[in-house]
Amino acid sequence: NAGVTQTPKFQVLKTGQSMTLQCAQDMNHEYMSWYRQDPGMGLRLIHYSVGAGITDQGEVPNGYNVSRSTTEDFPLRLLSAAPSQTSVYFCASSAVSGAKNIQYFGAGTRLSVL
Amino acid sequence: RKEVEQDPGPFNVPEGATVAFNCTYSNSASQSFFWYRQDCRKEPKLLMSVYSSGNEDGRFTAQLNRASQYISLLIRDSKLSDSATYLCVVSGIFGAGTRLFVKA
Repeated sequence: NAGVTQTPKFQVLKTGQSMTLQCAQDMNHEYMSWYRQDPGMGLRLIHYSVGAGITDQGEVPNGYNVSRSTTEDFPLRLLSAAPSQTSVYFCASSAVSGAKNIQYFGAGTRLSVL
Repeated sequence: RKEVEQDPGPFNVPEGATVAFNCTYSNSASQSFFWYRQDCRKEPKLLMSVYSSGNEDGRFTAQLNRASQYISLLIRDSKLSDSATYLCVVSGIFGAGTRLFVKA
């Protein structure tokens, strides 16, 4: 029962470094998304995808890139890490296209940018 | 005004108490409503959907008030294990969450 798997669980970066957060789901869900969660601000949508080959920006996309080459995988790339990107990142998937449906979350990646 | 707003709490209640949370939203055209539960340092997990007529799942009752644009979550007979943050989601937009502490 893997569901949504995120790696790594923890990461420390220096300002300016780049990295990729991995997300994979085994539920054959079409819709996948990335959120960041900061204290007092709830979950904010970074990027989302309604299917393989299709991605779009969410509320806070600056500094992040995504791609969706397969249904299963939806990696998030930080191009040049900044301290403002210190956060907890969650990947989510949904059976039906759109964040308006029930979403299943990965365990999260805790990122610190020094 | 934020699109989805919740009282951040924390709500501190004794075991056995009844506690209610509200979540207000600004978009009157919103069509989907959920409550998620998030334990400390864990991912959010669906608690229950919210239907127009209201719905109940054991000790939990969710209601929707379209006229006043809010949803509510009622927890009866609170347990220690109910301690968590409760997030409302309205048309895919997450509230910041309400923290609940249930004390023995």
